Amino acid sequence: NSKVIQTPRYLVKGQGQKAKMRCIPEKGHPVVFWYQQNKNNEFKFLINFQNQEVLQQIDMTEKRFSAECPSNSPCSLEIQSSEAGDSALYLCASSHGFTGQLYFGEGSKLTVL
Amino acid sequence: GQQVQQSPASLVLQEGENAELQCNFSTSLNSMQWFYQRPGGSLVSLFYNPSGTKHSGRLTSTTVIKERRSSLHISSSQTTDSGTYLCALERGGSNYKLTFGKGTLLTVTP
Repeated sequence: NSKVIQTPRYLVKGQGQKAKMRCIPEKGHPVVFWYQQNKNNEFKFLINFQNQEVLQQIDMTEKRFSAECPSNSPCSLEIQSSEAGDSALYLCASSHGFTGQLYFGEGSKLTVL
Repeated sequence: GQQVQQSPASLVLQEGENAELQCNFSTSLNSMQWFYQRPGGSLVSLFYNPSGTKHSGRLTSTTVIKERRSSLHISSSQTTDSGTYLCALERGGSNYKLTFGKGTLLTVTP
């Protein structure tokens, strides 16, 4: 069973509000991924880290999304100004390394009203 | 076009029947993973199977790279197997990102 812990499980925000989600990766896993799963079951890669460094991220041209994985603190994903289209399940996953099994948390379900 | 295609989109079985879920891909492959997603969202890793056949209890995964396909076989299905089964591939040159299929929704009736 995965030991990736995500909080909160659910969050509801109004348009324009900030939404912040946290993730504690499995102990000993240096690699962390964030994915967005929409209601059509489509997964979108958002960002990945190795230790505290961003390795790759989508072209967040709107700059509304930001993420970090500080040492000794949970990783986080924040949406600065939520939009209705951001409503989705945000999944965090961790891994020993880049090629290998990914272990997912239970996700944070964001609803933007 | 879609790089990872899963079939069938949905499947209804009676308890005890077997299921064969397919995942076809159109790109080069570094790895293939199968996940089970519970109603409510949680993703459970079933197999990391870049090639060949792997077994875990009633589940068997087979990946044939040359044929660009991977399958998940569930034998003697149980009602608790109900949920969505997702395959995800890490393709060559993707910088480790997974590309997911849209899943197969399995319903096992008593």
